[in-house]
This record gives sequence, structure tokens and C-alpha cells, in this order.
Amino acid sequence: GENVGLHLPTLSVQEGDNSIINCAYSNSASDYFIWYKQESGKGPQFIIDIRSNMDKRQGQRVTVLLNKTVKHLSLQIAATQPGDSAVYFCAENGSGGSEKLVFGKGTKLTVNP
Amino acid sequence: DAGVIQSPRHEVTEMGQEVTLRCKPISGHNSLFWYRQTMMRGLELLIYFNNNVPIDDSGMPEDRFSAKMPNASFSTLKIQPSEPRDSAVYFCASSLGQPNEQFFGPGTRLTVL
Repeated sequence: GENVGLHLPTLSVQEGDNSIINCAYSNSASDYFIWYKQESGKGPQFIIDIRSNMDKRQGQRVTVLLNKTVKHLSLQIAATQPGDSAVYFCAENGSGGSEKLVFGKGTKLTVNP
Repeated sequence: DAGVIQSPRHEVTEMGQEVTLRCKPISGHNSLFWYRQTMMRGLELLIYFNNNVPIDDSGMPEDRFSAKMPNASFSTLKIQPSEPRDSAVYFCASSLGQPNEQFFGPGTRLTVL
């Protein structure tokens, strides 16, 4: 069945360090992956997405890497700031072309000043 | 531009009562999603619509839950009768269709006593 899981439920980093959040997925038919950030009391906020025809995509201070061979997704945040503290979710679309997103359980990132 | 609008933001009700959650998607978006978030189960898709038509309702827990989308600018999620285990944050999201970024609303925090 579909399964999206995270290796680390919590991550604590120092301000200015780089952060890496990992995600494993099980459905090899997934062709769309997305990362969301959720702050307390708010809805998930889009960070970055990637389609299966790519293995890397960069945004502002963020990079997503996709390794289809081992079904692994990661989010890298450069120069982590206190405002980056939140829960981060990865999601996959579960089957090729589907709009349905299957979310992982989330990783809580804490940035220490 | 206004994002996804949900109402009410908070709802406290007693077991057995009917609850109706409302959502206004972003204008021009073709797809609308209802999610439920709890600590135990994370973020789960309940149902999604494309062009006002329900596409996948496999996540709807049971017959007590129903969702409608009478037009492109409005959707409701109804629980009747409500039970304490329905307590959660319910999110509505919308997108342009196809596997794409979903824009989330602020959520409705439901407490059933």
C-alpha cells in the first residue's frame, strides 16, 4: 500500500547551520512530490515540489533531492533561521497522475538561536 | 488575493449534534480537497473534488460524514451525528488541478464534547 514515512521525527539545529529532513516513500508509481511547512495553529504552507523526471530542484534557501532508486526524498534548508522552526511534511501523489496527496507524519524542526 | 477561506475557525459542539464546515477555494482553482489532521493519524485526505465533482471519497470515515460542492466557489463538509473521536483540525485546500501545489486554508478546529 501507499506509505510515506520520515526517518527522524524531531530535528534540532543551531541557527545558521544547514538542515536536512529526510523522507522515504514506497509507491514507485508516484510522479509528484512536495514539501510543506506547518507552523503552530496554521495550515500547511508550500515550500517546494519536484516531479519524477527531475532529481534536484532548488528554491530560495531550499533544495529538494529525489532518489527514485531508493525511493528517498530530502529537503535541505541552508542557513537555517529561527523562523524555519516548524513541522515539515513530505507528500507524494501516490499513483501516476493522481491529484491525491499522501502525507508523511512530519518532522519537527527546532532552530536554536 | 484572498487564500482559501474556511469557517468557522473554531467549533465546539456536543456529541450527537450536526456540524457543518465551510470552504471557499481560491478563485480559478479546479480542485478542492478536505483533510483531517490529528496527532495520532497525521494529515489524512477525506475527499476531493475536481470541477465540482467528487473524484475520490475513499478517505471519508463513515456514513456520518458527507461533503458537497454545489458550485466552484463553495464546499461543505458535514458530520451528522458528531462524536468525540471526530475532534480534529479540518483543512480545506484547493489547486489548479493535475498533481500540483495545494493551497491550504487556516483550518477549522473541531471539538466534540
